[in-house]
Order: sequence, then C-alpha cells, then structure tokens
Amino acid sequence: EVVLTQSPATLSLSPGERATLSCKASQSVSGYLAWYQQKPGQAPRLLIYDTSNRATGIPARFSGSGPGTDFTLTISSLEPEDFALYYCQHRSNWHLTFGGGTTVEIK
Amino acid sequence: QLQLQESGPGLVKPSETLSLTCTVSGGSISRNDYYWGWIRQPPGKGLEWIGTIYYSGSTYYNPSLKSRVTISVDTSKNQFSLKLNSVTATDTAVYYCAHYDSSGYLDYWGQGTLVTVSS
Repeated sequence: EVVLTQSPATLSLSPGERATLSCKASQSVSGYLAWYQQKPGQAPRLLIYDTSNRATGIPARFSGSGPGTDFTLTISSLEPEDFALYYCQHRSNWHLTFGGGTTVEIK
Repeated sequence: QLQLQESGPGLVKPSETLSLTCTVSGGSISRNDYYWGWIRQPPGKGLEWIGTIYYSGSTYYNPSLKSRVTISVDTSKNQFSLKLNSVTATDTAVYYCAHYDSSGYLDYWGQGTLVTVSS
C-alpha cells in the first residue's frame, strides 16, 4: 500500500506570497496523484488530477508537478480564499490513499 | 450537474451497525462510466477512503475496514448505501459520499454527515 507523506504540516504565509506544498509517496504512483482543497465545514474540492491537470474551474494560480515519488502543489500568489487545508491523494484502480494534509494559514 | 446528499442516523451505539444512504440527483447512478465512493474524516483529522462501488454492484474496500463494511447500490432509487458494523468510538467521523470522474478522482461530494458512536 502506498503511503503519502505531506509537508510541512502548516505553512504560514501572507496574501500574495507563493505557496509550495510537498507530497512524497512511499513508492512510484505512476503519476496518479491528485490534490484537494478543504475549508472548515466543507467537503474537499478537487484541484489537480494526474499530477498536473487542473480540474474544471480551478484558477491558473494552482499548479501541480512531480516526477516519480515527489510531488508539489504550487499556488503562485495566495488569494484570501486560498487559506485552507490541502490533501494529496493517490488512486490505484479504485483504491484511494490520502496524505495527512497541509494547512496553509495566514501569517 | 451532479448533487449528492448523505442521510442516516447521527448517533449510533457501540457494537451496532452504522447505516448511511447517498441520494444522487442530476444524473443516473447507473451510467456506465460512473463510480461512487464513501470517505470519512474523524473530527480534526484527515481523510480516509472507505470503499467504492460501480452501478453493477462491483465493490472495492479499504483493507483496514473490509471485514466490517458493505457498500450497495439501489438503481431504482438512484442511491447507494454504506453499512459499517461493530462500530466503536473510533468510527466517529464525518462521512462523505462522492462521485469519481472519468480519471478516477473525486469530483462531486456530498456535504457530509457527522456520525457519532456513543452510548
């Protein structure tokens, strides 16, 4: 079973700054890696799928990258609504694994 | 646009069975490229995949929960359901139902329902 480790646990930044979130997989995931955003009291929202594809309606300031086992979600310039919790997720057929999450908070 | 809504008891006693239903609107649950899933989130913690179902009834379960989980589908009602038996306090969580997109990721989610296991 693939284990996803996200870092840092918390990222303290100011609006307008660049955010870089990491997700490391315990083994190759063949690019099947997604990112979700979750705000308090809400369900997660799909941001990025298959490493680097933005989901429908996701702004261009969100981008994903990563070879092999090291993946990154980048938010190029933080907007007030981007301060939230972010999860990475791997799919293997119809089995899913989630990382532990990174909170992006206002500094 | 798909909409999903979870329903079921918010309080379950230890050792009993947790039962939830997800009602789908805005699309047919039996469309041949649609898969459906259950995910949960204990208070203040991360997301845990529970299982996945196809309209034909094919299921895939988290190995850590497999012995206690049953997911089923009722195409006549456009619903799918979750049963988790022998619950303990560690099963207290917000339970979400969700839809998989064509790439195999979760693009539509219900709002979630909190289930508390307590006597």
